[in-house]
Amino acid sequence: EPEVTQTPSHQVTQMGQEVILRCVPISNHLYFYWYRQILGQKVEFLVSFYNNEISEKSEIFDDQFSVERPDGSNFTLKIRSTKLEDSAMYFCASSLRTSGETQYFGPGTRLLVL
Amino acid sequence: AQSVTQLGSHVSVSEGALVLLRCNYSSSVPPYLFWYVQYPNQGLQLLLKYTSAATLVKGINGFEAEFKKSETSFHLTKPSAHMSDAAEYFCAATSSNTGKLIFGQGTTLQVKP
Repeated sequence: EPEVTQTPSHQVTQMGQEVILRCVPISNHLYFYWYRQILGQKVEFLVSFYNNEISEKSEIFDDQFSVERPDGSNFTLKIRSTKLEDSAMYFCASSLRTSGETQYFGPGTRLLVL
Repeated sequence: AQSVTQLGSHVSVSEGALVLLRCNYSSSVPPYLFWYVQYPNQGLQLLLKYTSAATLVKGINGFEAEFKKSETSFHLTKPSAHMSDAAEYFCAATSSNTGKLIFGQGTTLQVKP
């Protein structure tokens, strides 16, 4: 069964460093998402991406964040200058359509900023 | 703004007992509603979803949920809990044409032998 994969599973970085989180969505999916979950808190929407453009972003997704689909398979989330409060589990998801379509989630990347 | 509330961050049941996990939503338009389950060190897996067809939705692993518009609820039930049901459960909603999911805070289900 096709699945969403994410790398790395864990990343530790120093405050101020750039990190890139990688995702490989399901191959025929067209819509891509990033969510995050700070320990003990809700899963929060960060951004949705379709047709090589951001279609919606949350207030969390400020200028420090960017997303890219550099080739036909990868979907990346970049944090330019990490802050302590960026420590969280980051989930990638993909779907074939929107509006009620199931989003398939990857296993997550746990990011720790020291 | 749309929001999802899950009542009870931890629920404990005995094996074989009824499981009831509560979810309420607030939305200006009828949303699409989802229940996801997360097992340790895994991603979120869809249990079931409501997309304005039948109000009683059946999902995987014997779970079902009923959409009640009058109560703005979408509670998850399973008649008989199994040890393997122990996990974290998330209710989510969307009425966005971009697919943005709004999650509840999650409920950890513990199943006692």
